[in-house]
Amino acid sequence: QSALTQPASVSGSPGQSITISCTGTSSDVGSYNLVSWYQQHPGKAPKLMIYEVSKRPSGVSNRFSGSKSGSTASLTISGLQAEDEADYYCCSYAGGSTLWVFGGGTKLTVL
Amino acid sequence: QITLKESGPTLVKPTQTLTLTCTFSGFSLSTSGVGVGWIRQPPGKALEWLALIYWDDDKRYSPSLKSRLTITKDTSKNQVVLTMTNMDPVDTATYYCAHRIPPGSIDYWGQGTLITVSS
Repeated sequence: QSALTQPASVSGSPGQSITISCTGTSSDVGSYNLVSWYQQHPGKAPKLMIYEVSKRPSGVSNRFSGSKSGSTASLTISGLQAEDEADYYCCSYAGGSTLWVFGGGTKLTVL
Repeated sequence: QITLKESGPTLVKPTQTLTLTCTFSGFSLSTSGVGVGWIRQPPGKALEWLALIYWDDDKRYSPSLKSRLTITKDTSKNQVVLTMTNMDPVDTATYYCAHRIPPGSIDYWGQGTLITVSS
């Protein structure tokens, strides 16, 4: 069982928007603005899409955006494209002895 | 351009010790705020953070695996080494090393290396 809770799967049609939630606790997501989102295609390493809740690394499409409310973070992908089909993982800094906790991952299917 | 690459055995026997090396380029592990960590992913499962070493040699470990893990760095070689003792089949996973940026995010990842634990 992962420390952060994500839906197992979400789907959407090309051009639509989807949102993936990531629920933690007051010890991780709720305490730090250090939530990241990673995209992982099969057999590939995770790729950073969002960091510090809502910042986009250089080169990441502005179709990807992040937000946080309380202990729940969200990743929104607008204008879905076929290449967005992948697994998405959230990660939060947790401080203390456990530096980072991950979500269980969400499989995005583009219909 | 930051790159990281993991190396080590692909197969280890139960009870053996695993030694993984992360060789990186594009940054220095002597730069304030920088860190290199290890994360693993069992086949078909989620990511799990294992350990991190900071530029100042501070080290952090996952509480559930702390007794089995050791992380070290060789700044002159741009390498970080992770050892995990008493390997078990449940430790079968892809092991990634990754770059940590202040104040506390992981940005670049290595390609990963699949470690199988089997007799």
